[in-house]
Amino acid sequence: DVKVTQSSRYLVKRTGEKVFLECVQDMDHENMFWYRQDPGLGLRLIYFSYDVKMKEKGDIPEGYSVSREKKERFSLILESASTNQTSMYLCATGRASQETQYFGPGTRLLVL
Amino acid sequence: AQSVTQPDIHITVSEGASLELRCNYSYGATPYLFWYVQSPGQGLQLLLKYFSGDTLVQGIKGFEAEFKRSQSSFNLRKPSVHWSDAAEYFCAVGSLNSNSGYALNFGKGTSLLVTP
Repeated sequence: DVKVTQSSRYLVKRTGEKVFLECVQDMDHENMFWYRQDPGLGLRLIYFSYDVKMKEKGDIPEGYSVSREKKERFSLILESASTNQTSMYLCATGRASQETQYFGPGTRLLVL
Repeated sequence: AQSVTQPDIHITVSEGASLELRCNYSYGATPYLFWYVQSPGQGLQLLLKYFSGDTLVQGIKGFEAEFKRSQSSFNLRKPSVHWSDAAEYFCAVGSLNSNSGYALNFGKGTSLLVTP
């Protein structure tokens, strides 16, 4: 079974704080993805990575950065959190040769 | 550009009744199609997927979906809904990205409520 874990289920931060969300997978998948989920908007891709130290912007990268120093770990960074970044953040992984993505449980972030 | 439309934002069905959730896609080539389910407060779980071959695909939890190229649709069905099926359902289409392999484009979701 694929296991994708996210560092926190719930997080409360203040405006301007630097926020780290971490995702870890145990299946040796090449691809890792960060999405945010908002009511009525579905899932929107923020960033993805297809290899260690590689990253590509998704549909809504503004205000975010990512880091992938090890294959199993993909971090999403909010350099200076803002209230409009209050959302559910979902990490996903997948093999480069396959289309299926496997999701973590999500982190619900509240920025005050 | 590819897109996915789920026309129904909310659907309410009675327990034991049949269910159909609609999904329409726009994509130039043969799409890779998925249905995911998200229970409250949880991540997404894959229900089923279509890549090629038989256009009627079976998934987990008694769900099935039918790919209809002529209608650009991939509707999800279940003959008899259980209260535990109450959740949010997402349709997604996959496309080949030259760098990363496959990326998924999700619909906005359909929220299913099951009444006694």
